[in-house]
Amino acid sequence: DVKVTQSSRYLVKRTGEKVFLECVQDMDHENMFWYRQDPGLGLRLIYFSYDVKMKEKGDIPEGYSVSREKKERFSLILESASTNQTSMYLCASTPSRAGGVYEQYFGPGTRLTVT
Amino acid sequence: GESVGLHLPTLSVQEGDNSIINCAYSNSASDYFIWYKQESGKGPQFIIDIRSNMDKRQGQRVTVLLNKTVKHLSLQIAATQPGDSAVYFCAEIGGTALIFGKGTTLSVSS
Repeated sequence: DVKVTQSSRYLVKRTGEKVFLECVQDMDHENMFWYRQDPGLGLRLIYFSYDVKMKEKGDIPEGYSVSREKKERFSLILESASTNQTSMYLCASTPSRAGGVYEQYFGPGTRLTVT
Repeated sequence: GESVGLHLPTLSVQEGDNSIINCAYSNSASDYFIWYKQESGKGPQFIIDIRSNMDKRQGQRVTVLLNKTVKHLSLQIAATQPGDSAVYFCAEIGGTALIFGKGTTLSVSS
């Protein structure tokens, strides 16, 4: 089974702190994604990556950055956490197939609270 | 921009009933659609997918219907069980990433 793991299930940080959210997948997938999920807004794409050291902005990249130094690991960084970044963060991965991106495998999520 | 939405935010059914969850999409160029199930405290899990060259696809107790004429997608769950209670998302391929709908919460009562 594909497994996507996230470093923390619950995290509480203070405003202004630098926050690292880690995601690891064990199926040698090329593509990895970071979403945030908020009530009434659904899943919104923050950043994604198609290869090591490669990143692309999603729909809401402001206030976030990412790092992909190894194929299996995709990190989301909040440079200076703010209260409006309190949310559920979901990581996903998918293999590349001819014709595009297909089914995404999700991690369990990290619920981040910024106080 | 493109968006994927669901008609109802919540749906309540009795155990044993059939459930139908609907989704409208706006990008007529989308060629791949997925339904996800998200249980409380967990990440979304793949249920079933369908390509645009198909009208119907069946899985175990689930059926997805695609009507490209009206850009409508539905998920049918047969003999709904309490374990089916969850949030259900439809998603479409929009370029290089999936575009998700906001979700329908399905509640199943015994």
